[in-house]
Amino acid sequence: GQQVMQIPQYQHVQEGEDFTTYCNSSTTLSNIQWYKQRPGGHPVFLIQLVKSGEVKKQKRLTFQFGEAKKNSSLHITATQTTDVGTYFCAVLQTGANNLFFGTGTRLTVIP
Amino acid sequence: DAGITQSPRYKITETGRQVTLMCHQTWSHSYMFWYRQDLGHGLRLIYYSAAADITDKGEVPDGYVVSRSKTENFPLTLESATRSQTSVYFCASTPGQAQPQHFGDGTRLSIL
Repeated sequence: GQQVMQIPQYQHVQEGEDFTTYCNSSTTLSNIQWYKQRPGGHPVFLIQLVKSGEVKKQKRLTFQFGEAKKNSSLHITATQTTDVGTYFCAVLQTGANNLFFGTGTRLTVIP
Repeated sequence: DAGITQSPRYKITETGRQVTLMCHQTWSHSYMFWYRQDLGHGLRLIYYSAAADITDKGEVPDGYVVSRSKTENFPLTLESATRSQTSVYFCASTPGQAQPQHFGDGTRLSIL
């Protein structure tokens, strides 16, 4: 079966501190996507990574795809209160038909 | 996303009742999905559909039925609701299997 681990499960940071969440798979991935879900909201697509070693940036967010295409990270520089929410990775394993969502990392930012 | 709507937003029902959750999208996306979200489990796929009249099971299909007679609609039915089906249900759509998914606002379902 699919094995996708997302860590940490929870993270509390002071506003201005950095934050990183990691997504690890036991098998090679074709594609990884990151989503953000605000409290009470629905998941919203952030970015998609498909190439080994790929790095993409969106303002203060940096996304990386591992060289072996088995892991990924999302890093937020200088968190703001607007970053609060749960961040999910969603993976498409090689040969699979559907995305498999990680359990998410819930980020709390303390003003 | 205004292009995908779920109804109702909230529903309370009793065990053993049948309940149908509706999902409608205006993008003509081929793929549609139903997920349930529970604390500690993230999003788990219940059923998906690759096109009208084509549906397939996901990770947790037991106790659920789906249909897709039209591209834009993908209803989810709990034929005999159980307390373990209390959850938040999200519908999503995408034009391609590996492409980003667009989610509806969700239905919060409570089964007493």
